Amino acid sequence: AQKVTQAQTEISVVEKEDVTLDCVYETRDTTYYLFWYKQPPSGELVFLIRRNSFDEQNEISGRYSWNFQKSTSSFNFTITASQVVDSAVYFCALSELTQGGSEKLVFGKGTKLTVNP
Amino acid sequence: DTAVSQTPKYLVTQMGNDKSIKCEQNLGHDTMYWYKQDSKKFLKIMFSYNNKELIINETVPNRFSPKSPDKAHLNLHINSLELGDSAVYFCASSQGLYGEQYFGPGTRLTVT
Repeated sequence: AQKVTQAQTEISVVEKEDVTLDCVYETRDTTYYLFWYKQPPSGELVFLIRRNSFDEQNEISGRYSWNFQKSTSSFNFTITASQVVDSAVYFCALSELTQGGSEKLVFGKGTKLTVNP
Repeated sequence: DTAVSQTPKYLVTQMGNDKSIKCEQNLGHDTMYWYKQDSKKFLKIMFSYNNKELIINETVPNRFSPKSPDKAHLNLHINSLELGDSAVYFCASSQGLYGEQYFGPGTRLTVT
């Protein structure tokens, strides 16, 4: 079965530091998608990125960047020049094809990021 | 306009009661989901519907019964509530296979 591991339970940084959140996944599917979601203290889940298994190009969006490496089954997320508003729990997720041909998300346990002023 | 909405946002009830949570999406998506987030923040899928048809049922107790009257709505009814049902329940929707899932704001259920 698919599995997503976010080994860092909590990370605390000072504003303007760069921080990388690790995500390692296990899957037997050749086609799959990886996702990152943000859950700020207000509780909602905010979609950040989707990456398919055939596209290993790194992605940059403002201060956010993602490094996908199939060789190490990792999909790491870096926040550059962190800000207090980045404080949240970040979830990495992997799509899993079910026997019925539908797909579901398997989530990691999340990494709580605290950015201190 | 809110893309995925849930009501109520908070629900406090006693053990043994029956309650419902409603979800609506205005994104035109064909697939909707229910997830449960426990006290340790772990998110796990419960159900998924595609065009009103149940396609995923993740060994959830049969006290939980989802209902999809149309593809824009997915409601969750819970019978005989137990203390362990206390959690945040998230509804989500997506378009097609592997589409990004957009989540509702969550419903915090507290069973006393």
